[in-house]
Amino acid sequence: KQEVTQIPAALSVPEGENLVLNCSFTDSAIYNLQWFRQDPGKGLTSLLLIQSSQREQTSGRLNASLDKSSGRSTLYIAASQPGDSATYLCAVRGETSGSRLTFGEGTQLTVNP
Amino acid sequence: DAGVTQSPTHLIKTRGQHVTLRCSPISGHKSVSWYQQVLGQGPQFIFQYYEKEERGRGNFPDRFSARQFPNYSSELNVNALLLGDSALYLCASSVSYATEAFFGQGTRLTVV
Repeated sequence: KQEVTQIPAALSVPEGENLVLNCSFTDSAIYNLQWFRQDPGKGLTSLLLIQSSQREQTSGRLNASLDKSSGRSTLYIAASQPGDSATYLCAVRGETSGSRLTFGEGTQLTVNP
Repeated sequence: DAGVTQSPTHLIKTRGQHVTLRCSPISGHKSVSWYQQVLGQGPQFIFQYYEKEERGRGNFPDRFSARQFPNYSSELNVNALLLGDSALYLCASSVSYATEAFFGQGTRLTVV
C-alpha cells in the first residue's frame, strides 16, 4: 500500500526566504507526482506535475524535483511572499492504481511579512 | 474557461439522511474522481469514473455510491449519514485516465 509522508508538518519563515518542502513515498512504482496548494477551507490548486521519467519541473518561483528510485520529491519556493501562505500537498499516482492519487497530509506554510 | 464546479458549496444534514453532491468537470475532460478530506488530513480517494464507467473505488462503505452522466458530470451519493461523514468533498477532473488532475472548490458537508 502506497504511503506518502510530508516533512515538516508546519513551517514559518520570514518573507524573502528560499524554502524546501519534502515529500517521500514508499512505493517507487509511480506514474507521476503532483504538487498542490490549498488555502483554508478551499479546494486544491495544481502547482506542478512531474512524470516518472522527469527529474524536475519549474513554474515561476516554484521548482519541483523527483527522485523516483529513492521515493522522494522536493518543492523549492524561491523568494517567498506572504501570499504563498497555504498548505502544500504532495500526491502520487501509482503505475497500477489508474487515476487514483495518494496524498500526504501536507505542509502548512506561513510566510511572515 | 470554467474550472471544475461543485454544488452545493455547503450543506448541513442530520444523521441517517441521504445527500447528493454534484460535479461538473472542465470542458473536454472525461475523467472525474471524488475525494473526502477530513480536517487536518490529506484527501482520501473515494471513486474514479472514466467514460461513464467506474474505474476505481477506495476503501469506503457501500453507503457511498457515484455515477457519471453522458455529459461527463458526476454525482456522489451518501446514504445513512454518520457524524464521521462530515468533511470537505472534493471533485477532480482530468482529460483522460491518469493525466493531471484539476480540483473544484469542494462541498463542505456537516452532519449533525
